[in-house]
Amino acid sequence: QQQVKQSPQSLIVQKGGISIINCAYENTAFDYFPWYQQFPGKGPALLIAIRPDVSEKKEGRFTISFNKSAKQFSLHIMDSQPGDSATYFCAASRVGTASKLTFGTGTRLQVTL
Amino acid sequence: DGGITQSPKYLFRKEGQNVTLSCEQNLNHDAMYWYRQDPGQGLRLIYYSQIVNDFQKGDIAEGYSVSREKKESFPLTVTSAQKNPTAFYLCASRKGALTDTQYFGPGTRLTVL
Repeated sequence: QQQVKQSPQSLIVQKGGISIINCAYENTAFDYFPWYQQFPGKGPALLIAIRPDVSEKKEGRFTISFNKSAKQFSLHIMDSQPGDSATYFCAASRVGTASKLTFGTGTRLQVTL
Repeated sequence: DGGITQSPKYLFRKEGQNVTLSCEQNLNHDAMYWYRQDPGQGLRLIYYSQIVNDFQKGDIAEGYSVSREKKESFPLTVTSAQKNPTAFYLCASRKGALTDTQYFGPGTRLTVL
């Protein structure tokens, strides 16, 4: 079964610090790797996404680092803020599969003052 | 406003009853998806549809049924055959074959009493 493994399960970071969430995948055919942010009781919202042809993508305080040889990718949140406190999911899909997403199990991030 | 709407937000049902969850989108997206989310787990794909009048089973389709009679609507029926239906159900849509991004609705929380 295709899997995406996500760690840590939960993370506590002080305001202004860097939050780092990691994901590893098994299927080398995956070619699209999004990160979603979810607040309690809400639907996930796309945060940032990357394809394997680049090793890093940055949007504001959010950066994806991608290591194709290691089959790993990570989300870095710079200058973490209390408003970033949410659950973050990594996911992966491959072309020709109707963009079906395989999700990680999620990381609950808490940013403290 | 363009977007995805799911109704109701909360739904209670007795064991043995079928229940239908609504998902509507006015984004003119071709593909639609249903996911199930359980505490501490990632999202798991139930059913998906790439075009009207066509849909495919996802990873956990047993006990569920769908229809796609209109482009903007993709209702999910949770049948009495679903052994553990209490969960948060999320609908998503994607524009078409040239894009991978899925946009999610606000979700419906189903509780079986």
